[in-house]
Amino acid sequence: ETGVTQTPRHLVMGMTNKKSLKCEQHLGHNAMYWYKQSAKKPLELMFVYSLEERVENNSVPSRFSPECPNSSHLFLHLHTLQPEDSALYLCASSQDLNVWSPDTQYFGPGTRLTVL
Amino acid sequence: AQSVTQLDSQVPVFEEAPVELRCNYSSSVSVYLFWYVQYPNQGLQLLLKYLSGSTLVKGINGFEAEFNKSQTSFHLRKPSVHISDTAEYFCAVRVMDSSYKLIFGSGTRLLVRP
Repeated sequence: ETGVTQTPRHLVMGMTNKKSLKCEQHLGHNAMYWYKQSAKKPLELMFVYSLEERVENNSVPSRFSPECPNSSHLFLHLHTLQPEDSALYLCASSQDLNVWSPDTQYFGPGTRLTVL
Repeated sequence: AQSVTQLDSQVPVFEEAPVELRCNYSSSVSVYLFWYVQYPNQGLQLLLKYLSGSTLVKGINGFEAEFNKSQTSFHLRKPSVHISDTAEYFCAVRVMDSSYKLIFGSGTRLLVRP
């Protein structure tokens, strides 16, 4: 399989459930990202990892917990979510994190999350 | 603070007509600029990017964009659209500082009609 894959593609969960989103990149990249895409709102960067180390956390509530066990895999652990957390969650990867010459980010197809 | 504005939420156009999708940004420092496309049920795909050099940037699928520093704009154009170009288009900015954050606009839905 090539590119960036995400599982599951769709997820419905109650507010008391615990679930995890998985992202895998087959591109040999060193940086990975989680984004949230809500209806009628711009994409929001949630977390950035470089070489399995978290380098950015954009004021995301603690009910979202990321995990990056290696440079190919990224997880987003979810617990006690709210209905307003319903959105499309996109994973992306890039070769590296370059400040002065940004690498292209490659996106997965996303997980459509619905919180009841 | 930096921001990206895509004034048009939806742009309807007939097939084979030209199209321009507008993007303006606000930043007190230099930026890198990007256009992404999102087809239904898919992730975002990079169309083109401006890092430096020539202000006219050519991308995939016949799209191009022009960086205008004085007007802080990065409009996307295509001289003749196809039905298959129907998608959501996002303009994004990354500031030339230590942040890795891509700041996205709210998107423009291009609707190509036969």
